[in-house]
Amino acid sequence: AQSVAQPEDQVNVAEGNPLTVKCTYSVSGNPYLFWYVQYPNRGLQFLLKYITGDNLVKGSYGFEAEFNKSQTSFHLKKPSALVSDSALYFCAVRDAGSYGGSQGNLIFGKGTKLSVKP
Amino acid sequence: DSGVTQTPKHLITATGQRVTLRCSPRSGDLSVYWYQQSLDQGLQFLIQYYNGEERAKGNILERFSAQQFPDLHSELNLSSLELGDSALYFCASSERQGRGANYGYTFGSGTRLTVV
Repeated sequence: AQSVAQPEDQVNVAEGNPLTVKCTYSVSGNPYLFWYVQYPNRGLQFLLKYITGDNLVKGSYGFEAEFNKSQTSFHLKKPSALVSDSALYFCAVRDAGSYGGSQGNLIFGKGTKLSVKP
Repeated sequence: DSGVTQTPKHLITATGQRVTLRCSPRSGDLSVYWYQQSLDQGLQFLIQYYNGEERAKGNILERFSAQQFPDLHSELNLSSLELGDSALYFCASSERQGRGANYGYTFGSGTRLTVV
């Protein structure tokens, strides 16, 4: 069964410093990987995705993520954090080889709360 | 505005009652997904519909049911409500499934259900 782990419940970063939000995954085949962000009282917003190709994926708001197949990781990064980046971040995965049934759906991690202090 | 519309935004109801949550997917999207977000369980997949047909079931209780109508809007019905059903319920949509479904989902802003 596919799964996603976000090992940190919370990440604290000072404004201007680089940030990393960790994600590891498990799928039987090749993964499709996604990052979403959720601001208070809002739905999840798409940040970026890895489908195939370059392991470094660039997304919205200056975020990027690096796909590492050997480590089964897809960590979210940003070179310089902003206070406005403070939110809940979700990593999600689905098995690229599954087009229906429960395996064809996105499975989300539990989320990591990012707090950026001025 | 994501294009996925959920109503109502907030719902307060008593235990034992039944409620219906509504979702209109983004224009052109055929798949609708329902998720439950609670503090202790995170984001749990409930059920997926594609073009009117149920395609996948996740951790959906027997007290819960859903359907997708010919105009592609979907409704999630929650009955015999318990205190533990209090959560944010999200609907998401995507373009299609199959080999073209390599995109992420577009989420609505959710319905916050409070059972008292």
